[in-house]
Amino acid sequence: QQQVKQSPQSLIVQKGGISIINCAYENTAFDYFPWYQQFPGKGPALLIAIRPDVSEKKEGRFTISFNKSAKQFSLHIMDSQPGDSATYFCAANMNYGGSQGNLIFGKGTKLSVKP
Amino acid sequence: ETGVTQSPTHLIKTRGQQVTLRCSSQSGHNTVSWYQQALGQGPQFIFQYYREEENGRGNFPPRFSGLQFPNYSSELNVNALELDDSALYLCASSFTFRDRQFFGPGTRLTVL
Repeated sequence: QQQVKQSPQSLIVQKGGISIINCAYENTAFDYFPWYQQFPGKGPALLIAIRPDVSEKKEGRFTISFNKSAKQFSLHIMDSQPGDSATYFCAANMNYGGSQGNLIFGKGTKLSVKP
Repeated sequence: ETGVTQSPTHLIKTRGQQVTLRCSSQSGHNTVSWYQQALGQGPQFIFQYYREEENGRGNFPPRFSGLQFPNYSSELNVNALELDDSALYLCASSFTFRDRQFFGPGTRLTVL
């Protein structure tokens, strides 16, 4: 119930294409869903996040789509660039009880954008 | 840059030894969380400290312990190191436990 399942494990996209990464969760108590970007040798950096009261959030080329009934959320990267090549993690947490602030991460998707 | 720093960058220890990893949070951030990231995996929550008190713990044994100090620094201590403890250890700071977490670059621990 505490898992976040992420797919695909790796993704190769041509420059200018759309990258799509999917995540699914079981625990309906989760109420915060961030996406993190991690470059080699660096810690994860928050990219964009959504709460379950909205179905979509867009920031620049990055969009989160959220489907509460299906317990799924996805990251879309439009006009993908070689500089977007990194590992992306979805995560979830709940802001109440003993698990406040405890981020539960997916296993990551390694994105390669070919020039 | 997130303003969160960690030391050392890399560390090599042998099985059975003890290790202390350090983190310096952003000024004003009262919460620090520690995560273990094994190679090719997502970070796993170890524990969180809020105003110098433990505020939650993941599925890690008691030989993983921590401290948070009033000067926004914190420590992760691991006793009786095992080979499986080899990982990248990340700390993340936030203003409170409800806020966005800013990650440091991590400490790469290798246990031989």
